[in-house]
Amino acid sequence: KAGVTQTPRYLIKTRGQQVTLSCSPISGHRSVSWYQQTPGQGLQFLFEYFSETQRNKGNFPGRFSGRQFSNSRSEMNVSTLELGDSALYLCASSGPGGGGTEAFFGQGTRLTVV
Amino acid sequence: DQQVKQNSPSLSVQEGRISILNCDYTNSMFDYFLWYKKYPAEGPTFLISISSIKDKNEDGRFTVFLNKSAKHLSLHIVPSQPGDSAVYFCAASAPGYALNFGKGTSLLVTP
Repeated sequence: KAGVTQTPRYLIKTRGQQVTLSCSPISGHRSVSWYQQTPGQGLQFLFEYFSETQRNKGNFPGRFSGRQFSNSRSEMNVSTLELGDSALYLCASSGPGGGGTEAFFGQGTRLTVV
Repeated sequence: DQQVKQNSPSLSVQEGRISILNCDYTNSMFDYFLWYKKYPAEGPTFLISISSIKDKNEDGRFTVFLNKSAKHLSLHIVPSQPGDSAVYFCAASAPGYALNFGKGTSLLVTP
């Protein structure tokens, strides 16, 4: 079956703009989690959606938001972009049990803010 | 607050020898632990996991050990191969919570 698909793969934005990233989970998976990876900081948890509801949230400012649709596809939005938002954004989907079990990652979206 | 810690940012091992990657955690509610492998410009891929009811899980060249009393787990790769060179992330979870990752250890296996 198809894996986790993230679009776009690469993105360049200017400070102050906003951006929307998309994630299509593995078919049948209802949990989608978002992570930010920056050099030296590992994978920092942004938020998790399960059945269209935000179930968990990391320690990121309100500029970072997300949502999940009825088909489990998820979007992540970052408003008022800052240079420090440049990172690899990874989406992971988990099986019917939801987040916390084995997660399957997409290839990520590389966001560069200039 | 980093609940999952990988204190060695990098590790270099000769081909054929054992690679040992370590991970410590602070949250006693964690009951499921995983290791992921990541190549540059790719998403992490699942490697091996262990439930808190076990102390060892083996899959081919990869073995994960869990010491609950010390809140410590380790990944052993034997024998190490050049293709194992990647960043390895330790992750932990509690019921109903998303995976909590360490900062990763970059493993280099030299011929």
